[in-house]
Amino acid sequence: AQSVTQPDIHITVSEGASLELRCNYSYGATPYLFWYVQSPGQGLQLLLKYFSGDTLVQGIKGFEAEFKRSQSSFNLRKPSVHWSDAAEYFCAVVAAGFQKLVFGTGTRLLVSP
Amino acid sequence: DTAVSQTPKYLVTQMGNDKSIKCEQNLGHDTMYWYKQDSKKFLKIMFSYNNKELIINETVPNRFSPKSPDKAHLNLHINSLELGDSAVYFCASSQDIIAGLNEQYFGPGTRLTVT
Repeated sequence: AQSVTQPDIHITVSEGASLELRCNYSYGATPYLFWYVQSPGQGLQLLLKYFSGDTLVQGIKGFEAEFKRSQSSFNLRKPSVHWSDAAEYFCAVVAAGFQKLVFGTGTRLLVSP
Repeated sequence: DTAVSQTPKYLVTQMGNDKSIKCEQNLGHDTMYWYKQDSKKFLKIMFSYNNKELIINETVPNRFSPKSPDKAHLNLHINSLELGDSAVYFCASSQDIIAGLNEQYFGPGTRLTVT
């Protein structure tokens, strides 16, 4: 069955520093992968998605992610973190005939001054 | 204009009670979802509806009954509430059932606390 692993429960980054959040997936075929962000007290918002083609995907808010098939990974990156980026980040893979998303357990990002 | 709205935002109730959560989307989407997010932030799909038809029922107890009066609304009724039902419930919608191709838009969530 399809699954997603986010090995880091929480990460603290200094404001202005670079960020990388890890995501590993388990999927038999070419995966459709997503990153969502959940700000405190809010619903989830799509940051970016990968279907095919260029393995480096650009998203909103200055985020990007790189799909690496050999490592079964889809890590999220940002070159310079802002305090407003503090949130919970979820990686997800599509499953069940493209009818549902399976989410990872999330990584909480804390941004220090 | 709120794309996906849920009411209420907070719900505190006692074990054994019956409660409902309402969801509405004004995006013109065909597909709507209910997700449960537990205390550890794990997010899991419960149901999906496409044009008022149930598509996914993710082995959710029978005490949970979704109802879709029209494709813009998907309500969740919960009977005989249990302590383990305490969670944040999110409604979401997407253009159609092809979850792999369409962004899902999430509501703000309903925090249910069962005492």
